[in-house]
Amino acid sequence: GIQVEQSPPDLILQEGANSTLRCNFSDSVNNLQWFHQNPWGQLINLFYIPSGTKQNGRLSATTVATERYSLLYISSSQTTDSGVYFCGGSNYKLTFGKGTLLTVNP
Amino acid sequence: DTGVSQDPRHKITKRGQNVTFRCDPISEHNRLYWYRQTLGQGPEFLTYFQNEAQLEKSRLLSDRFSAERPKGSFSTLEIQRTEQGDSAMYLCASSQDREGGYTFGSGTRLTVV
Repeated sequence: GIQVEQSPPDLILQEGANSTLRCNFSDSVNNLQWFHQNPWGQLINLFYIPSGTKQNGRLSATTVATERYSLLYISSSQTTDSGVYFCGGSNYKLTFGKGTLLTVNP
Repeated sequence: DTGVSQDPRHKITKRGQNVTFRCDPISEHNRLYWYRQTLGQGPEFLTYFQNEAQLEKSRLLSDRFSAERPKGSFSTLEIQRTEQGDSAMYLCASSQDREGGYTFGSGTRLTVV
């Protein structure tokens, strides 16, 4: 099956800083999504982005399908951005990476 | 639509007991997925349905686990003869089609004592 590798595993930022999270896939996928897991455990869908670039407020994502990776950009980070960020890719069911634990300090 | 609902939110059970979880997907979504997540790990795929048909079961799903989606609406996940290793967060998600974005529920946290 598809292997998903996320980096970095942990990231600590000061409020206002920018960050980039990366997701690599072992094989091509036609369904790629980014999620934020809040402290209560719920996964919130941030982007459905099999290719190209999308932006939503301070967050944006880029997927380069031919090179099998995706990037999530967080600008002007806030403490509420803290949590675990997961990417998942699939051809019919999502396989997730181990996540990036982001801590944003005030 | 209120999104994907899961019930209960928490379940504590004694080893050897049976437990059943329920998931109500977004009504227009025809695909429903069950995942399991343990501490420090990403969600692991268990099974998925397209309408009422169960199309795949992970090898993680031993014969003590069974899932149903009668009439292609809500789904149940039953674990028989629970073991301590079953303790985890059980997550349900739905999507409109094969390549649609997933919407996850809040999960059911199972603790087997």
